[in-house]
Amino acid sequence: RKEVEQDPGPFNVPEGATVAFNCTYSNSASQSFFWYRQDCRKEPKLLMSVYSSGNEDGRFTAQLNRASQYISLLIRDSKLSDSATYLCVVNIVSAGKSTFGDGTTLTVKP
Amino acid sequence: EPEVTQTPSHQVTQMGQEVILRCVPISNHLYFYWYRQILGQKVEFLVSFYNNEISEKSEIFDDQFSVERPDGSNFTLKIRSTKLEDSAMYFCASRPPAGDSYEQYFGPGTRLTVT
Repeated sequence: RKEVEQDPGPFNVPEGATVAFNCTYSNSASQSFFWYRQDCRKEPKLLMSVYSSGNEDGRFTAQLNRASQYISLLIRDSKLSDSATYLCVVNIVSAGKSTFGDGTTLTVKP
Repeated sequence: EPEVTQTPSHQVTQMGQEVILRCVPISNHLYFYWYRQILGQKVEFLVSFYNNEISEKSEIFDDQFSVERPDGSNFTLKIRSTKLEDSAMYFCASRPPAGDSYEQYFGPGTRLTVT
C-alpha cells in the first residue's frame, strides 16, 4: 500500500464547478499535512496547511480526518487558473521526512 | 518575499561525471531538504538536513549522493558518478525553525540531464 494515496484523476471540469480531491495516508505517526499545487515543469507551491478543525482560504477548503487518515481539498467556483496538479503531502516531523502523493491533475475548461 | 534559490537552472553532464547542485535556502530557516522528480512522475524525497547533519534519507539517497552546508548560506547536493537514471528535476526546500511552521518552501529546481 502506498504511504500517501490520491485520487488518480484527471479531473476535467467547467469553469465555476466545485471539485473535491481526496487523499489517504497509511502512517498513523504522520503529524502535519499540506496541499501543494504544481504547474507543469515548475516547483511545488504551498497551497494550504491542513488542520483537524478544517481551514478555508477563499475558494479553497481543506479538511483532515485523523481517525480515517484522510485529507480532502475542495475548490469552489473553479477558475481556468486553477488548472494544475494538486499534491497531498504528509510529514512525519520527528523523522524529518515528507511524503508526496502522486498528484491529481485538474483541468478547468471554459 | 524571501525565497529559495537554486543554481544552475539546467545542468547537462555526461554519465560518470560528478555534479554539484546548489541551493540557497531562506535565511532564517533551519531545516533543508532535497527532492527529485523524474519527468512525468511524482516528487520523491531524497534527504533532510538539520543542525549540520542528515536527519533522514530515502532509499534513493545511496552512496553516490552527499549533501553539505559548506557555509552559512549554501546547501549542496553532490552526485558523485551520475547515471542516466539520475536525469530529473531536483528541488531544494527549506522550512522555518520547529514550532514556527512545518511548511516547506521549494526552490525553482535544477533540471539535470545525464547523457
